[in-house]
Amino acid sequence: NAGVMQNPRHLVRRRGQEARLRCSPMKGHSHVYWYRQLPEEGLKFMVYLQKENIIDESGMPKERFSAEFPKEGPSILRIQQVVRGDSAAYFCASSPQQGADDEQFFGPGTRLTVL
Amino acid sequence: QKEVEQDPGPLSVPEGAIVSLNCTYSNSAFQYFMWYRQYSRKGPELLMYTYSSGNKEDGRFTAQVDKSSKYISLFIRDSQPSDSATYLCAMRGAQGGSEKLVFGKGTKLTVNP
Repeated sequence: NAGVMQNPRHLVRRRGQEARLRCSPMKGHSHVYWYRQLPEEGLKFMVYLQKENIIDESGMPKERFSAEFPKEGPSILRIQQVVRGDSAAYFCASSPQQGADDEQFFGPGTRLTVL
Repeated sequence: QKEVEQDPGPLSVPEGAIVSLNCTYSNSAFQYFMWYRQYSRKGPELLMYTYSSGNKEDGRFTAQVDKSSKYISLFIRDSQPSDSATYLCAMRGAQGGSEKLVFGKGTKLTVNP
């Protein structure tokens, strides 16, 4: 059973460009979470999605950031008009369902560098 | 006051030592407590998962939760060089509440052979 997959693993963008980060959850998992890890900081929650629904986006910046988890295909985190402060590691996690004992399994992350 | 406080270290110990890692938190709604291990430039890997107060042991690892003090700990016995990593505490509310995990900053541990 493959784990959570993220691609690309490394992404370099110039200021003003768009960044698209992809996350394929573990097989059988229908819940996806995105977290951001800034240098020397812990992971910060960004958004929680189920298929075709955004459940909690309380950690998403108000502008330039969006996320989706379509019926088919991976979850996408999209950052428009990137700025240097967006440089970070972005991690996706998945869980099978919303339950008391459901763990979140993390992917290897996408490291975004904005030049 | 931050929701979760964790001393970032770094912490350096000799092989075979007992390691104690700790976090404090302020939100009394947290019910689930986790410890993740993160190797350099890798994703977090779940080590221990505890519900409410009490102890949980798994091999060389013991997790303790004291909800009355809002304090959680991870103990590593007979530490090995392969335990060298950053250890992140994480917690969340009860079922039906927010599913998001709130993390500490992480403690960087080095075990010297």
